[in-house]
Amino acid sequence: EAQVTQNPRYLITVTGKKLTVTCSQNMNHEYMSWYRQDPGLGLRQIYYSMNVEVTDKGDVPEGYKVSRKEKRNFPLILESPSPNQTSLYFCASSLSQGIRTEAFFGQGTRLTVV
Amino acid sequence: QKEVEQNSGPLSVPEGAIASLNCTYSDRGSQSFFWYRQYSGKSPELIMSIYSNGDKEDGRFTAQLNKASQYVSLLIRDSQPSDSATYLCAVPNTGGFKTIFGAGTRLFVKA
Repeated sequence: EAQVTQNPRYLITVTGKKLTVTCSQNMNHEYMSWYRQDPGLGLRQIYYSMNVEVTDKGDVPEGYKVSRKEKRNFPLILESPSPNQTSLYFCASSLSQGIRTEAFFGQGTRLTVV
Repeated sequence: QKEVEQNSGPLSVPEGAIASLNCTYSDRGSQSFFWYRQYSGKSPELIMSIYSNGDKEDGRFTAQLNKASQYVSLLIRDSQPSDSATYLCAVPNTGGFKTIFGAGTRLFVKA
């Protein structure tokens, strides 16, 4: 089954404790991205990757890191989480970065930083 | 001005009615437009895409695009309670490297 898998689904952590949210897709997609979703603000892009070893900042990259060492995986790293990073996070993948490609989303990760 | 704007709603319609959802965008170079549906607590899923001016129909859904007015809409005919969700308008920027999402419109269909 074609899918984008995120882990964990839920996470409660303390300020400053490094964490990683994993994302994996099995569709051989080139393009992957991370979004955060907050009430009233919709989905905002954090980082995106056009292919292995090629990443770039989205609209809200501060406090986040990513890596793309393999085509299927695109982990999101929070080196020192803060309460303002409490949010619902989605990973998405697309066949390519072209304008006509739809995005497939993972199940979401609800992160709470206390 | 936000790059992609939607009325947050909630929009409430009776079962069987037509629901009309609207979206405006600021990037005149945008060439493709997507509507995603998101049920509460779930991930967004694509329901419609449109690239040319005019209407595009798929079952009960019709997307309408007017590039001159920078306006895209989604009509849902014969609305069902199962259509109750948040609808997100998404517009890739010129070049397609980034996609901007609207904040979404919450739709309630009353049985």
